[in-house]
Amino acid sequence: GQQLNQSPQSMFIQEGEDVSMNCTSSSIFNTWLWYKQDPGEGPVLLIALYKAGELTSNGRLTAQFGITRKDSFLNISASIPSDVGIYFCAGYNYGGSQGNLIFGKGTKLSVKP
Amino acid sequence: NAGVTQTPKFQVLKTGQSMTLQCAQDMNHEYMSWYRQDPGMGLRLIHYSVGAGITDQGEVPNGYNVSRSTTEDFPLRLLSAAPSQTSVYFCASSYGSRGPNTGELFFGEGSRLTVL
Repeated sequence: GQQLNQSPQSMFIQEGEDVSMNCTSSSIFNTWLWYKQDPGEGPVLLIALYKAGELTSNGRLTAQFGITRKDSFLNISASIPSDVGIYFCAGYNYGGSQGNLIFGKGTKLSVKP
Repeated sequence: NAGVTQTPKFQVLKTGQSMTLQCAQDMNHEYMSWYRQDPGMGLRLIHYSVGAGITDQGEVPNGYNVSRSTTEDFPLRLLSAAPSQTSVYFCASSYGSRGPNTGELFFGEGSRLTVL
């Protein structure tokens, strides 16, 4: 089946540093999404991208939909302790038997004050 | 507006026991799904439903059963628990009758299951 390769698997950074993570696939997606999971909680949508080449910001977060539609990246600027958690990418093609929403395995972010 | 509510939050079972994880949403979402989360494995789809009376299998359905008698509720049944089913289970819902319309899922807080 389809798989997403998300990297890095984990990051341990100092508060104030910028963070970059990415997601690649061998398949094309029409939508890329980034979710964040706080410790002990369910994932929450951060950013959704619907158009190849699209660059979208949400506060200190910036995400891009790759021009080939096979990749996406997420940047976090000036990290703070509450950025700690697991970040999941997801690729999506609407329709079909289950909407075809595929998750990456996650990037675990730790922030040292 | 409670969103997606899962119960119980924690459960310990013995091998061979059965139980039901409950999931309810109050957003009138047609699409509901169950995922399991294991370390290093990400989120894997167990079963999903695109409306009352309609369910289908996801990536890892073996050992689990679901039904959807109402729009609001989507319980997950473990028929005969095994240690391999030790995991964190998430219920999620979304708009859309053929899958999440925009890909956005609304997740519950999770149910942590340990099978001894």
